Amino acid sequence: QQPVQSPQAVILREGEDAVINCSSSKALYSVHWYRQKHGEAPVFLMILLKGGEQKGHEKISASFNEKKQQSSLYLTASQLSYSGTYFCGPSSGSARQLTFGSGTQLTVLP
Amino acid sequence: GAVVSQHPSRVICKSGTSVKIECRSLDFQATTMFWYRQFPKQSLMLMATSNEGSKATYEQGVEKDKFLINHASLTLSTLTVTSAHPEDSSFYICSASSGGTDTQYFGPGTRLTVL
Repeated sequence: QQPVQSPQAVILREGEDAVINCSSSKALYSVHWYRQKHGEAPVFLMILLKGGEQKGHEKISASFNEKKQQSSLYLTASQLSYSGTYFCGPSSGSARQLTFGSGTQLTVLP
Repeated sequence: GAVVSQHPSRVICKSGTSVKIECRSLDFQATTMFWYRQFPKQSLMLMATSNEGSKATYEQGVEKDKFLINHASLTLSTLTVTSAHPEDSSFYICSASSGGTDTQYFGPGTRLTVL
């Protein structure tokens, strides 16, 4: 079953913050976050492996609540280059398969 | 590091023909490769998982006789769309994983248009 992401779409002004949530109905082993620009392949952002783990990458960070089967992606002081569709990809087992969420379209305006 | 290439990037073919798409991991050995299909404004849907030297595992609803997958080496997997029809038109993306943290690195994708 596909994880649910919220919001489906968000429009920001440059410098504003955003949070994207990912919720799964299955127990999770890890959560991956990717960003995809139109017509391009997804680009890996980060992976979270442990419950409660929080990782950061420049001004983009994420948290993973294993008990709640949820993950959130935090974008701080957004830049124009952050525009794209963000997908979470939880993994629920050792098969290394990811089930990608529905996607969140983020648009950053000048 | 972790670069994955796909070839061709774009292909247009006539209905009934077969199309082969190659996926290569350029700077690492991919023990597992994945094939996805993505329709416009939709998420990536996993079609199949392939491990080097063994048969691919197909997701429910994906016809294995129509979408032939071969993972002949640790750096190459191929997807052949046999007897393509217009409804097979889509963006096909492969990814590769070397194990460990399960991180998948995606190829640039192949846009298939079947006329």
